[in-house]
Amino acid sequence: SQQGEEDPQALSIQEGENATMNCSYKTSINNLQWYRQNSGRGLVHLILIRSNEREKHSGRLRVTLDTSKKSSSLLITASRAADTASYFCATDDSGYSTLTFGKGTMLLVSP
Amino acid sequence: EADIYQTPRYLVIGTGKKITLECSQTMGHDKMYWYQQDPGMELHLIHYSYGVNSTEKGDLSSESTVSRIRTEHFPLTLESARPSHTSQYLCASSDHTSGWVETQYFGPGTRLLVL
Repeated sequence: SQQGEEDPQALSIQEGENATMNCSYKTSINNLQWYRQNSGRGLVHLILIRSNEREKHSGRLRVTLDTSKKSSSLLITASRAADTASYFCATDDSGYSTLTFGKGTMLLVSP
Repeated sequence: EADIYQTPRYLVIGTGKKITLECSQTMGHDKMYWYQQDPGMELHLIHYSYGVNSTEKGDLSSESTVSRIRTEHFPLTLESARPSHTSQYLCASSDHTSGWVETQYFGPGTRLLVL
């Protein structure tokens, strides 16, 4: 099965700045999802974008999907210290019934 | 907050012990999953289930076993724990009726340390 790759591996910014994380994958997908994981906890679903969508918004989150480049980006605007977490992309591979998670981006937002 | 629970949250045991990690969900979801995650690393799917009496192995080979006798319960068992089993184990569930679009709901995880 394929695996998403997040970039960068770690990102450190100040409160109020925007944070952008990227995800690349290898084969065709039905949808791509982003999850957040606070230290030592389970993952929380943030947003899902379908393969026929190019951009989606949810609050301070903006997700783009480029299926021709097999890549997605997650933008968090006006970041807060509470956004400090690891962010994972996950793909619902076409023809499969499970999700494949990437390696994650660790985001640190300093006050 | 998702209605999915894992116990224990932390477990320290000696090599050779048999352990069962509990996972239960109250959302009536058909599909359930177990992932293994080392600190700061990606999630690896080790087991999943489509529903009662269904169990499948995931991408990562694991010496653990699972059972699904009830919809809400998906326990994971290690017959003989080893230090290499030290990791965090995450349980998740999703609603199968949505087809292949799967939003997964995660429990808080069990951190296992095998001495």
